[in-house]
Amino acid sequence: DQQVKQNSPSLSVQEGRISILNCDYTNSMFDYFLWYKKYPAEGPTFLISISSIKDKNEDGRFTVFLNKSAKHLSLHIVPSQPGDSAVYFCAAIAARGNEKLTFGTGTRLTIIP
Amino acid sequence: SQTIHQWPATLVQPVGSPLSLECTVEGTSNPNLYWYRQAAGRGLQLLFYSVGIGQISSEVPQNLSASRPQDRQFILSSKKLLLSDSGFYLCAWSGYYEQFFGPGTRLTVL
Repeated sequence: DQQVKQNSPSLSVQEGRISILNCDYTNSMFDYFLWYKKYPAEGPTFLISISSIKDKNEDGRFTVFLNKSAKHLSLHIVPSQPGDSAVYFCAAIAARGNEKLTFGTGTRLTIIP
Repeated sequence: SQTIHQWPATLVQPVGSPLSLECTVEGTSNPNLYWYRQAAGRGLQLLFYSVGIGQISSEVPQNLSASRPQDRQFILSSKKLLLSDSGFYLCAWSGYYEQFFGPGTRLTVL
């Protein structure tokens, strides 16, 4: 049972444009969400997170939006840069009494120069 | 600041051989520790997690095992490797909610 889903395995975006990565979840107990970026042969690095009490969190070029009623979150990168080419994982946690993150399967983002 | 180390970085092992991957964390005490595997073209699969010395929770049945002999040391082992054990193994520690990953070990079983 895939509780966190990233339905687009890959995405290509022109440099300078907006990249939008999507993530859906099914477990209504999830109340904290994270995005990670991963380059080949490296560990994932934490990018940005959002608590369920918010619907938006922004950090520089990265903004995460949360729609709790739709159980959907998205990561916006604007403007997209070549160095943003990587695999992006969304993750979720039921923060009360649970130490485990549940990861999506990832979306490979390619920025076209 | 906290750092996490994994070794070796790459490993090629024959089927049936034993395995020992090591992970150590610096700059924090009593962290939650995790082992993940990323198989080719797949997402991150949680294998084991530990909330303290000697406390190991297994997420999936397999021929791998984990141990936590010291507070900041987490070891992934196998007595006999299978071809299906090939993958990229990641160790992580958790802060409040975020998890921070090590550089990973690429394991190829031939």
